[in-house]
Amino acid sequence: KQEVTQIPAALSVPEGENLVLNCSFTDSAIYNLQWFRQDPGKGLTSLLLIQSSQREQTSGRLNASLDKSSGRSTLYIAASQPGDSATYLCAVRIPGAGGTSYGKLTFGQGTILTVHP
Amino acid sequence: EAGVAQSPRYKIIEKRQSVAFWCNPISGHATLYWYQQILGQGPKLLIQFQNNGVVDDSQLPKDRFSAERLKGVDSTLKIQPAKLEDSAVYLCASSLSYRGSNSPLHFGNGTRLTVT
Repeated sequence: KQEVTQIPAALSVPEGENLVLNCSFTDSAIYNLQWFRQDPGKGLTSLLLIQSSQREQTSGRLNASLDKSSGRSTLYIAASQPGDSATYLCAVRIPGAGGTSYGKLTFGQGTILTVHP
Repeated sequence: EAGVAQSPRYKIIEKRQSVAFWCNPISGHATLYWYQQILGQGPKLLIQFQNNGVVDDSQLPKDRFSAERLKGVDSTLKIQPAKLEDSAVYLCASSLSYRGSNSPLHFGNGTRLTVT
């Protein structure tokens, strides 16, 4: 059974600092890994998706890496801003029956990030 | 493009009552998901549809929860009867999915259910 763990559970940093959020998963047989952002009272917004064959993906100040063999992913946020305050979740998709993309997406519990001015 | 639409945004019911949630995915998205998110936890998949067929409902409490996607577009999730532990946010998501796809999920804003 795939289990996803995120460390730390909460993080508070001053504006401008670079930071790293960690995600680990128990089964390396994943189809892809996705990072999401969730603002209070809202749904999830997809930030980055890394396919199992990729090592990293970048979007603006965000960089996500994937080390499938060790079961780890990191989300790096450069020059953090108060607007980055939110809960960040990672999720892994396992292959579905017959190796299809229909496998279950399993989420971690999230890291609550607070960036203070 | 219009996002995933969900209604209602909030619902308060007493235990043993029934409740239904509605979801309209992004146009053209074949895969639709219902997730349950309990406060402080990550979302947990309840059911996944591919068009109007069920792909995964292994974590759906079938004695009280049901879901349908009759025409392969919008979907409803029903709880009958509700229990206190069903208090959570129910999230609907959709993705443009076909065999071999790596398309990301797009989420609605969710329905916050409180069972008293």
